Amino acid sequence: RKEVEQDPGPFNVPEGATVAFNCTYSNSASQSFFWYRQDCRKEPKLLMSVYSSGNEDGRFTAQLNRASQYISLLIRDSKLSDSATYLCVVNPTSGTYKYIFGTGTRLKVLA
Amino acid sequence: DTAVSQTPKYLVTQMGNDKSIKCEQNLGHDTMYWYKQDSKKFLKIMFSYNNKELIINETVPNRFSPKSPDKAHLNLHINSLELGDSAVYFCATGGQKSGYGYTFGSGTRLTVV
Repeated sequence: RKEVEQDPGPFNVPEGATVAFNCTYSNSASQSFFWYRQDCRKEPKLLMSVYSSGNEDGRFTAQLNRASQYISLLIRDSKLSDSATYLCVVNPTSGTYKYIFGTGTRLKVLA
Repeated sequence: DTAVSQTPKYLVTQMGNDKSIKCEQNLGHDTMYWYKQDSKKFLKIMFSYNNKELIINETVPNRFSPKSPDKAHLNLHINSLELGDSAVYFCATGGQKSGYGYTFGSGTRLTVV
């Protein structure tokens, strides 16, 4: 089993739609969780951290389910500019910064 | 003022050559990394330095040698380049100051011909 797994997509959704991505991780002791966004031929950029209690940033909501070992990202009211690859990132080891990246889920928002 | 800058942005070179990629950060982060993103877009950690000390060294051919002259710089030297080394190499920084999230450089697209 891969350390971090994501559905590669693509997810093709119309503007204004709500879309959700899940990401599963294999190490139950994992400590930190993030979502990154990567545009084509660009570097990944931190979208948001994922906290145990769940957190929201505008149209984006991230949640963590430790029991089932997955994190999720919900995007409401999708914009064309949301089209990108969304990378799930997990730090499996406390005290180190060795982050493991998922292969990403590609989102296309259609006009 | 770019927070994490990498040079060069593009590098095309022949098999067997030796090349270096440089990274500099002005964020004051303690930890710097090299990641490799292959053609399938998978990002894999290669090395990490914390305050000039090597702390992560993944299973990478010893043709790859990182060097950190100071906390703000991390370079990657590659000897005897092979076709399979073609990828995008990203430098990243992170640490407690950043809430542990990474900031990436814009990447170096290496093509070995």
